Amino acid sequence: DIQMTQSPSSLSASVGDRVTITCQASQDISNYLNWYQQKPGKAPKLLIYDAFNLETGVPSRFSGSGSGTDFTFTISGLQPEDIGTYYCQHYDSLPFTFGPGTKVDIK
Amino acid sequence: QVQLVQSGAEVKKPGASVKVSCKASGYIFTRYAMHWVRQAPGQRLEWMGWINVGNGNTKYSQKFQGRVTITRDTSASTAYMELISLRSEDTAVYYCASGYSYGYWALWGKGTTVTVSS
Repeated sequence: DIQMTQSPSSLSASVGDRVTITCQASQDISNYLNWYQQKPGKAPKLLIYDAFNLETGVPSRFSGSGSGTDFTFTISGLQPEDIGTYYCQHYDSLPFTFGPGTKVDIK
Repeated sequence: QVQLVQSGAEVKKPGASVKVSCKASGYIFTRYAMHWVRQAPGQRLEWMGWINVGNGNTKYSQKFQGRVTITRDTSASTAYMELISLRSEDTAVYYCASGYSYGYWALWGKGTTVTVSS
C-alpha cells in the first residue's frame, strides 16, 4: 500500500495568513492526488483534484501543486471559515489511502 | 438536488454484522462509481472499497477482504455496505462517496455511525 504523510499535523494562523501543508507519498503517484477539507461532525469536502485542479465552487484562495511524491496545498489568505482538518488522498493504485490530516485553526 | 442519503446510526454487539444503505438522488445512479470510506474516532479516513454501479463489479481493500460486501440495487438507486464479524475497532462513521471520477469524490453522504460494543 502507498503510505501518505502530511506535515504539519496542526497549525494555528491568523486571518489573512498564507498557510501551506505538505503531503508526501511513499512512491511515485504522478498527479493522482486530491485534497479534502473536513469540519467536525461533517463529511469531507473535495477542494483540489489531480494535484492542482480546483473543484467547482471552491474559492480560489485554495490551491495545490506538486507531482511524483511531494505535494503542497496552500490557502492564500486564511479565512475564519477555513478552520477544519485537511486530508490528502491518492488514487494511483488500490487501496486508495489518505494522509493523517492537518488541523487548521485561527490564532 | 444531487445527494446521497445514508441510513441511521447502528449499535451492534461484537461478532454481529451491519448493513448500511446509501440512496442516491438527483443524478443517474448507474453513471458513477460508489465508494465506501470510514473514519474511526480521531483517526484518518480509510477507504474500504468501491462498486461499479453500472455492472456491479467490486474491489475491496485487502484489510477488509472477506468481511465487507458492497452491493447495489439500481431500481432503488441505492448502494449497500455490509460488514460482518464486527469488532470494537470497527466503531466508526461510515461514508458513501461518489462523483464523476473513479478516484475523487465530490458527493458524500452525511455518514452513518456504527458503534460496536458489548
